[in-house]
Amino acid sequence: GAVVSQHPSRVICKSGTSVKIECRSLDFQATTMFWYRQFPKKSLMLMATSNEGSKATYEQGVEKDKFLINHASLTLSTLTVTSAHPEDSSFYICMTTEAFFGQGTRLTVV
Amino acid sequence: AQTVTQSQPEMSVQEAETVTLSCTYDTSESDYYLFWYKQPPSRQMILVIRQEAYKQQNATENRFSVNFQKAAKSFSLKISDSQLGDAAMYFCALRGGGSNYKLTFGKGTLLTVNP
Repeated sequence: GAVVSQHPSRVICKSGTSVKIECRSLDFQATTMFWYRQFPKKSLMLMATSNEGSKATYEQGVEKDKFLINHASLTLSTLTVTSAHPEDSSFYICMTTEAFFGQGTRLTVV
Repeated sequence: AQTVTQSQPEMSVQEAETVTLSCTYDTSESDYYLFWYKQPPSRQMILVIRQEAYKQQNATENRFSVNFQKAAKSFSLKISDSQLGDAAMYFCALRGGGSNYKLTFGKGTLLTVNP
């Protein structure tokens, strides 16, 4: 149980464009999803908590307008990196309340 | 605030030997959960073992076991009969009880297994 499918696994985009990352819960209803960011050889830092049907809760220092989170259904949460810049290049990963993770997305902004 | 400290940035072990990874934590909650995750080069987060704070018995999963010392706020991971496939980054994590499900992670320990 608690299988989460995240995609894309890798994406390369140009500076100034937006990228959407999806996390789908395959065998359960996820009312809450957590989004983490991980820099190379660093730990996972919580960016925001996604709640179905309501606004996401962002951690201190995370730009709400840059990292748009949508949780419109019980099986899908999305993270959109808007107007991406090279410093947004990172590994992004979602996690359920049961502490199971998606496969992660490696974002490279060129 | 919750904190998790892993004091060993890197560790190495010989194949078939035993290694222990350290983790200490701090929380004001009485009900919480502790986790060890393995992150191989693929960066997939793999749950290794989980411990509920209210349980006194140390959790075990095959070759993996923990030494949970609640009073000392210590949660070390022991890997027995180390295998080459155990080489990875290991993260210790803490989750509060109740409806607070978010995890706080330590900085990780990179484990190398030597043949």
